[in-house]
Amino acid sequence: GAGVSQSPSNKVTEKGKDVELRCDPISGHTALYWYRQRLGQGLEFLIYFQGNSAPDKSGLPSDRFSAERTGESVSTLTIQRTQQEDSAVYLCASSSHPTGATEAFFGQGTRLTVV
Amino acid sequence: ILNVEQSPQSLHVQEGDSTNFTCSFPSSNFYALHWYRWETAKSPEALFVMTLNGDEKKKGRISATLNTKEGYSYLYIKGSQPEDSATYLCAYTSGSRLTFGEGTQLTVNP
Repeated sequence: GAGVSQSPSNKVTEKGKDVELRCDPISGHTALYWYRQRLGQGLEFLIYFQGNSAPDKSGLPSDRFSAERTGESVSTLTIQRTQQEDSAVYLCASSSHPTGATEAFFGQGTRLTVV
Repeated sequence: ILNVEQSPQSLHVQEGDSTNFTCSFPSSNFYALHWYRWETAKSPEALFVMTLNGDEKKKGRISATLNTKEGYSYLYIKGSQPEDSATYLCAYTSGSRLTFGEGTQLTVNP
């Protein structure tokens, strides 16, 4: 596709339910990043993929969070047993260079609301 | 923990004013420094990526400089316009993850 695509754009879920967020990066982009922005805060790093591997997942806040990437393309971020503090905008970005030497292109984000 | 700090946190200027923001980052293991512009209800868009000490980049009225030895970068906007109103983010990388600062929120009043 022409840009980074994320789905769904909005998700309202009940506390305790699992959710899955999807990111379709720009074709051919090696690097893929997940961030979240909670209300009034900056971009918080979650995980970084280089190809299908995740050399840095130090930002995942708890073991309820997991992510995978397949075919060096689509990535899914899964949050199990959602909590209200998981409410945020989740942003995905991709980049053609694996080491951050080129710009990252962001998707429109998924706004997650846990009620 | 990598600290990327931006100042000021917010800034209000009048149309036509020139302004600048600061980004400070770890000077060790430096690989690249990014600047992004983030408008409300949109996604962040890249302005510049700089890798070499002394780099200066320019796009229209916006320019940026980089000092990797002391760990800072400046973003300059000349003759601010209302459409420049946005949050400006910098991000540092040592070769893998991009770590973002909290951003500088710029409001340009007509």
